[in-house]
Amino acid sequence: ETGVTQTPRHLVMGMTNKKSLKCEQHLGHNAMYWYKQSAKKPLELMFVYSLEERVENNSVPSRFSPECPNSSHLFLHLHTLQPEDSALYLCASSQAPPTYNEQFFGPGTRLTVL
Amino acid sequence: GESVGLHLPTLSVQEGDNSIINCAYSNSASDYFIWYKQESGKGPQFIIDIRSNMDKRQGQRVTVLLNKTVKHLSLQIAATQPGDSAVYFCAETRNQGGKLIFGQGTELSVKP
Repeated sequence: ETGVTQTPRHLVMGMTNKKSLKCEQHLGHNAMYWYKQSAKKPLELMFVYSLEERVENNSVPSRFSPECPNSSHLFLHLHTLQPEDSALYLCASSQAPPTYNEQFFGPGTRLTVL
Repeated sequence: GESVGLHLPTLSVQEGDNSIINCAYSNSASDYFIWYKQESGKGPQFIIDIRSNMDKRQGQRVTVLLNKTVKHLSLQIAATQPGDSAVYFCAETRNQGGKLIFGQGTELSVKP
């Protein structure tokens, strides 16, 4: 148990659906991250929120929309996804940079787009 | 047993042997490195970290070695156990924290 929870753990959706992934951290951190993990590929950083402000958006398609209402919660809103978006989506948290601090990861949401 | 990171993504070792997992990083400006372990169905879990002003750091049964000359990082696991079976990722950061750049990962399989 890392102190970072994600729901749902598994999600199957059609290309026309709208769904949201939720992440919550109980570690008192003030930075949160979304990563995409596809098979046989390194983790890809999608978004970074630091002190509730988005500080990084790594050329992610607009069909992915993050939301960070407070320092403990992070959402990833999904709409009109493509089959190639099927992957494990990981949330992480840390203390905000520029200090040296490792990121703590949640268990991930396994997303399948049909 | 020993891996060469991106070129040998799978490492199989006998229980009780020592394991060495290697990682080559790309940027000489990277100043902080982390090893993560990811078991099946779980998110990555922090194992050990090292700053660029060090060349060795030890934890419980694990040692990380950093060779800045050749931009190489290794994770040594002593007396490998079945519970060590997982994918191991190295990660580097270039701005004193924050954005991590992850390697491809090496899958460690421990044979009883």
